[in-house]
Amino acid sequence: AQTVTQSQPEMSVQEAETVTLSCTYDTSESDYYLFWYKQPPSRQMILVIRQEAYKQQNATENRFSVNFQKAAKSFSLKISDSQLGDAAMYFCAYRRAQGGSEKLVFGKGTKLTVNP
Amino acid sequence: GAGVSQSPRYKVAKRGQDVALRCDPISGHVSLFWYQQALGQGPEFLTYFQNEAQLDKSGLPSDRFFAERPEGSVSTLKIQRTQQEDSAVYLCASSLARRLGQYEQYFGPGTRLTVT
Repeated sequence: AQTVTQSQPEMSVQEAETVTLSCTYDTSESDYYLFWYKQPPSRQMILVIRQEAYKQQNATENRFSVNFQKAAKSFSLKISDSQLGDAAMYFCAYRRAQGGSEKLVFGKGTKLTVNP
Repeated sequence: GAGVSQSPRYKVAKRGQDVALRCDPISGHVSLFWYQQALGQGPEFLTYFQNEAQLDKSGLPSDRFFAERPEGSVSTLKIQRTQQEDSAVYLCASSLARRLGQYEQYFGPGTRLTVT
């Protein structure tokens, strides 16, 4: 079974600084998708960024970028120029690409605090 | 258009009562997912549908949990004889169609169930 591990229960960053959240995963599949979701205190889960495993290029979305290391099964999220609105729980998630269930497998999350 | 909606947003049940949680997916979304999120944890998969077919129910914790999506749109998650360990936030998500290469899941705000 696939597993996702987020080793940092909490992180903090100063406003305008850069922070990196870690995620590792375990799978025997060669093709899959990886995601970072943000969950503010209001609870609605929002997709931040996604990465297809077959793509070597790291995904970027404005201030958010990932460092995808397929061989190491690592998928970290970098947030640049942190803003107060970035404060939230961040979840890393995995989904197989071909066949079988479309379910997401989530890590336990990292709580990000942004200090003014 | 409108996002995923869930009702009720909050539900308090006495131990032993039955509850029904409703999810309205985004119009036209083929796949619908249910997740359970315990306090301070990442969401855990319960079950999912493709149209009206329940393709994976491997995450349902016991036979007290039952989900249906009879017309391939609205879904109901029913929990019979609720127990305290059922207290959690129940998240619903929907996605368009894997065959179209659409695999992002869009989440609703969740239903917070408290069993007393």
